[in-house]
Amino acid sequence: DQQVKQNSPSLSVQEGRISILNCDYTNSMFDYFLWYKKYPAEGPTFLISISSIKDKNEDGRFTVFLNKSAKHLSLHIVPSQPGDSAVYFCAASEGDKIIFGKGTRLHILP
Amino acid sequence: DTAVSQTPKYLVTQMGNDKSIKCEQNLGHDTMYWYKQDSKKFLKIMFSYNNKELIINETVPNRFSPKSPDKAHLNLHINSLELGDSAVYFCASSYVPSHGYTFGSGTRLTVV
Repeated sequence: DQQVKQNSPSLSVQEGRISILNCDYTNSMFDYFLWYKKYPAEGPTFLISISSIKDKNEDGRFTVFLNKSAKHLSLHIVPSQPGDSAVYFCAASEGDKIIFGKGTRLHILP
Repeated sequence: DTAVSQTPKYLVTQMGNDKSIKCEQNLGHDTMYWYKQDSKKFLKIMFSYNNKELIINETVPNRFSPKSPDKAHLNLHINSLELGDSAVYFCASSYVPSHGYTFGSGTRLTVV
């Protein structure tokens, strides 16, 4: 029973263009949503988060959008750079616990 | 200067053995976690400790026993290892979960 779903296992985007990673969730009690980035043989690294009471949070090239009525969030990366190639995990927190999606592998093409 | 360090990075062992994975954080965080990433790439929480006290214990076989001697350390001991225990185990720590965890680099456990 996946409470956080990332339905695209992979995504390829041209360098310089916008990357959009999507995530859906089922539990309306989640209070925060987070995105993590993971390189091979390393642990996930926290990227950006958004409170459930907001609909947008921006940090440099990264923007997260939250649509509570659709139970959907997305991460936009503009412009995409080669170093952005990694696996991106969507996550949601309820109290002390964070639940992760399965991840989307992003390939930035030269 | 690693913030969350796990040892060992790789562990290959036979079925039935007992093994431990160690985790230490130097961030001053109050809460530490163990996550398991299985072959399907799901990252699932196993345990969480806040200031040496167990606060989350997901449905995990009791062959897995976490131990937190102080708030900077959270070790994972696994008894009678089974093939299905093969996975990457990540330790993490945080002040407040909603502000993000800091993860270790993972321990790849292979049971043969």
